[in-house]
Amino acid sequence: QQKVQQSPESLTVSEGAMASLNCTFSDGTSNNFRWYRQHSAKGLEVLVSIFSDGEKEEGRFTAHLNRANLHVSLHIREPQPSDSAVYLCAVRGTQVVGQLTFGRGTRLQVYA
Amino acid sequence: EAGVTQSPRYAVLQEGQAVSFWCDPISGHDTLYWYQQPRDQGPQLLVYFRDEAVIDNSQLPSDRFSAVRPKGTNSTLKIQSAKQGDTATYLCASSFGGANTGQLYFGEGSKLTVL
Repeated sequence: QQKVQQSPESLTVSEGAMASLNCTFSDGTSNNFRWYRQHSAKGLEVLVSIFSDGEKEEGRFTAHLNRANLHVSLHIREPQPSDSAVYLCAVRGTQVVGQLTFGRGTRLQVYA
Repeated sequence: EAGVTQSPRYAVLQEGQAVSFWCDPISGHDTLYWYQQPRDQGPQLLVYFRDEAVIDNSQLPSDRFSAVRPKGTNSTLKIQSAKQGDTATYLCASSFGGANTGQLYFGEGSKLTVL
């Protein structure tokens, strides 16, 4: 069964500094990776999807995927206080068709 | 374009009571998902539909939870005889073509507290 782990559990950065979040997964055949943002009492907003090794940029959000290391990261350039939220990593493996497995999330706090 | 709509947004129950959550997906999306998200955890899939058919309900506690999508559009998730361990936010999501290819769009969730 796919296991997805995120680190750190929480992260505090100042406005304008780079924020880096990590996600490891257990199924090396996984082929679909997504980062979501969840503001308090709100639904999930997809930030970036990545399907092959390398880098994918969507505005200020960049995902890096290294499947050999079972690792995907999210980097937030010039974070703003409005980016304060929980960031969730989701991975689709090949063992259960159609299922995304989520990590527990990283709580990001950006202060001005 | 309207997003995924869920109701009610909040529910508070005593143990043993029942509750139903309703989801209206994005128009044209054939796949609908129900996730359970306990506090400070990631969402966990309960069940998902392609049109009106259940594709996977292996994570649905079948003795007390049920979900239907009779016309392949709206869906209802029902919990009978709720327990404190059911306290969580229930998220509905929809996509076109399934998680393999389609992007999932989530509603704001229904937050359940069982006392």
